[in-house]
Amino acid sequence: DAGVIQSPRHEVTEMGQEVTLRCKPISGHNSLFWYRQTMMRGLELLIYFNNNVPIDDSGMPEDRFSAKMPNASFSTLKIQPSEPRDSAVYFCASSLGVDKNIQYFGAGTRLSVL
Amino acid sequence: GQQVMQIPQYQHVQEGEDFTTYCNSSTTLSNIQWYKQRPGGHPVFLIQLVKSGEVKKQKRLTFQFGEAKKNSSLHITATQTTDVGTYFCAGPSDSWGKLQFGAGTQVVVTP
Repeated sequence: DAGVIQSPRHEVTEMGQEVTLRCKPISGHNSLFWYRQTMMRGLELLIYFNNNVPIDDSGMPEDRFSAKMPNASFSTLKIQPSEPRDSAVYFCASSLGVDKNIQYFGAGTRLSVL
Repeated sequence: GQQVMQIPQYQHVQEGEDFTTYCNSSTTLSNIQWYKQRPGGHPVFLIQLVKSGEVKKQKRLTFQFGEAKKNSSLHITATQTTDVGTYFCAGPSDSWGKLQFGAGTQVVVTP
């Protein structure tokens, strides 16, 4: 299996622009997680899905952030409009879910908002 | 809510020395996991401990789950430069697969 695939690996954008991050989880995994990692705040859980349904989005910092999972093999995290403080590494992870909760992380998207 | 705390936050180790990092949960855990993140990389699953008092070894790494299932430790013997990175512990936070990660222990190895 190719593992969790994220794209793009790097994104540089200007303040105010829309940014879309993409994730393909491991086939057969039922849970998908979006994390943000910064030096100041460490690894933060933003939102997670189980069987394509959002379970908990309490970690989403603002209404500028939204996430979707239209099917079992694809998810997006969108930031609109982006701000410099959104600069971070965004990780997607998947797991079999419920009692099988080992998480497998993608390589991440390094976002820089200028 | 549940909290998972790790100490120390940073660990500078001379190559060849041993060190231990600790993980403490505010609640009893059904299991605990350890992940390693190399500089510039992503967290990678190392091991899961399930039983009270369980000890597992991976080469020079020894993982232990406390008797009360509220704490865990990672001991590295004869540290090598390949051990550089941040080590996270994580415990289940709900029934949907969510994990509560500790803040991590960043390990720097001096040759």
